[in-house]
Amino acid sequence: SAVISQKPSRDICQRGTSLTIQCQVDSQVTMMFWYRQQPGQSLTLIATANQGSEATYESGFVIDKFPISRPNLTFSTLTVSNMSPEDSSIYLCSVVRAGGNYEQYFGPGTRLTVT
Amino acid sequence: QKEVEQNSGPLSVPEGAIASLNCTYSDRGSQSFFWYRQYSGKSPELIMFIYSNGDKEDGRFTAQLNKASQYVSLLIRDSQPSDSATYLCAVARAGNNRKLIWGLGTSLAVNP
Repeated sequence: SAVISQKPSRDICQRGTSLTIQCQVDSQVTMMFWYRQQPGQSLTLIATANQGSEATYESGFVIDKFPISRPNLTFSTLTVSNMSPEDSSIYLCSVVRAGGNYEQYFGPGTRLTVT
Repeated sequence: QKEVEQNSGPLSVPEGAIASLNCTYSDRGSQSFFWYRQYSGKSPELIMFIYSNGDKEDGRFTAQLNKASQYVSLLIRDSQPSDSATYLCAVARAGNNRKLIWGLGTSLAVNP
């Protein structure tokens, strides 16, 4: 199965700054997604990272706040810009493996705290 | 009505018992159904998926799908304390760009 890594695993940031989270997969995947999960809550989809083109954002999320890149089939970044304490959350990337259907596999997550 | 509904729990069962987790969905066009397990502080882990009506068994886990009644369930036989986690139900609709619709999760506690 695909091995998914995320960096950093956690960070504490000051308000107004930006943090870029990386997601790396060890094999080619067809789809990559970025989620946010508040403590004790379920998953909220931020966007679909499209290879070589602009990401597709869900309602309530905008590119200026959460710019996403996906330069190839195995790597994506999510930037959380101009952070506020409300951005404190766990950020997760997930992938659909090549040859897969809808099954998503998750990276270990990035725990972000904004002070 | 939420698209995917789960009882938030907590569901508490004694060790060795069968834990039954339920999930209902609203869109009849849904075609793929998933159960994820999430331990506290960890990311979700896919444990079962089912596409067709009926039962699908994998070890101690059985997923049951009833499309007519629009529910999917997860049975955990011989529950162990290590099964204590939050179980997330997710549903895929055709033509939704492979996005999943998530339930809020059911917390399961297996008591020794």
